[in-house]
Amino acid sequence: AQSVTQLDSQVPVFEEAPVELRCNYSSSVSVYLFWYVQYPNQGLQLLLKYLSGSTLVESINGFEAEFNKSQTSFHLRKPSVHISDTAEYFCAVTHSGAGSYQLTFGKGTKLSVIP
Amino acid sequence: DAGVTQSPTHLIKTRGQQVTLRCSPKSGHDTVSWYQQALGQGPQFIFQYYEEEERQRGNFPDRFSGHQFPNYSSELNVNALLLGDSALYLCASSRGQYNSPLHFGNGTRLTVT
Repeated sequence: AQSVTQLDSQVPVFEEAPVELRCNYSSSVSVYLFWYVQYPNQGLQLLLKYLSGSTLVESINGFEAEFNKSQTSFHLRKPSVHISDTAEYFCAVTHSGAGSYQLTFGKGTKLSVIP
Repeated sequence: DAGVTQSPTHLIKTRGQQVTLRCSPKSGHDTVSWYQQALGQGPQFIFQYYEEEERQRGNFPDRFSGHQFPNYSSELNVNALLLGDSALYLCASSRGQYNSPLHFGNGTRLTVT
């Protein structure tokens, strides 16, 4: 079984400042990792994913996350946030073997960008 | 290209009643997963349907059941509703491969009174 811990429930940050949303996971097997974003009254949208290969993955809107196997982390970063980044962000994990079809999500981190 | 659509958007039921939620997957997708998102929590996996069969199930009681139709759409049924079933129910679709990214609908907000 896997688990995900998002260490901060809320993160306020000023516009154009950098931000890091922390995610740690626990698993006894190899994993795939994901970040999803949820805007108010909407479903979740995939932001980025790590399946294999380069440990640094990037999204089209400037976010990046780095898979660190030794620290079992997959922190999300953005060098300069915008008001439109205000949303809730969820880290999720699934094990990479065949036969696993469920994502295990963290409790989410609410990012509030202050003008 | 329509994404994942869910109906209804909101629903109010009384404890003990039964409810059916519906989901149409994104075009080209054949797999449907259901998640429950309680207030202030991350989504929790209920089950996944593929080829009209339940392929995997999370830690939910038998009161939660589902169905997938030949056109890949799906229903989630919950019997004997409890107050604790109040949540946002999210449907996600994907292609058959197990690591295929999930595309989520906007959810059905169920309130049990």
